[in-house]
Amino acid sequence: ILNVEQSPQSLHVQEGDSTNFTCSFPSSNFYALHWYRWETAKSPEALFVMTLNGDEKKKGRISATLNTKEGYSYLYIKGSQPEDSATYLCAFIGGTSYGKLTFGQGTILTVHP
Amino acid sequence: NAGVTQTPKFQVLKTGQSMTLQCAQDMNHEYMSWYRQDPGMGLRLIHYSVGAGITDQGEVPNGYNVSRSTTEDFPLRLLSAAPSQTSVYFCASSYGGWGNTIYFGEGSWLTVV
Repeated sequence: ILNVEQSPQSLHVQEGDSTNFTCSFPSSNFYALHWYRWETAKSPEALFVMTLNGDEKKKGRISATLNTKEGYSYLYIKGSQPEDSATYLCAFIGGTSYGKLTFGQGTILTVHP
Repeated sequence: NAGVTQTPKFQVLKTGQSMTLQCAQDMNHEYMSWYRQDPGMGLRLIHYSVGAGITDQGEVPNGYNVSRSTTEDFPLRLLSAAPSQTSVYFCASSYGGWGNTIYFGEGSWLTVV
């Protein structure tokens, strides 16, 4: 079983704050890393699929970076809004596209107005 | 475009009963999978399929069966429900492998009493 860890487990910020959290994964045999945003009672929503070391991806106020050599990815949210409140999940795939997806336990973000 | 559709959304079962969670996708995705989500544990892979007629076990397969007779459908069967199977179940699909965007259903909340 692969070890995919997310930190912190939960985070409370004020509206307008910028924040970031971490996904750590095995540094060997990397294939891809996914980031998802998940609101309770809804489907997880895909944010990014990252495949190359040094990748930086951006979607509005949310961005992510990837370091496959050291086995981590950061997710950044600039100017947090209450609607950003959700659980943010990362998922790691090792080997090939046929490999199994291993999820971290998630970071629960609460943005207070 | 319906995406990934799961039914039922909520179900209460008695210990020992059997039931099937249905999952269908209309995107012609070869890859489909079932996850369960438990507090503090992220999403854990139960079973997955890389095409019609092909299934394999994930991290927590015990107590569950799957089949994939068509590209569209991937039902998950609970053979004899146990309280430990109380969870939220998610079906997911992807085109061309797990390194591409993965689409999730809205989840099925199952309680076993």
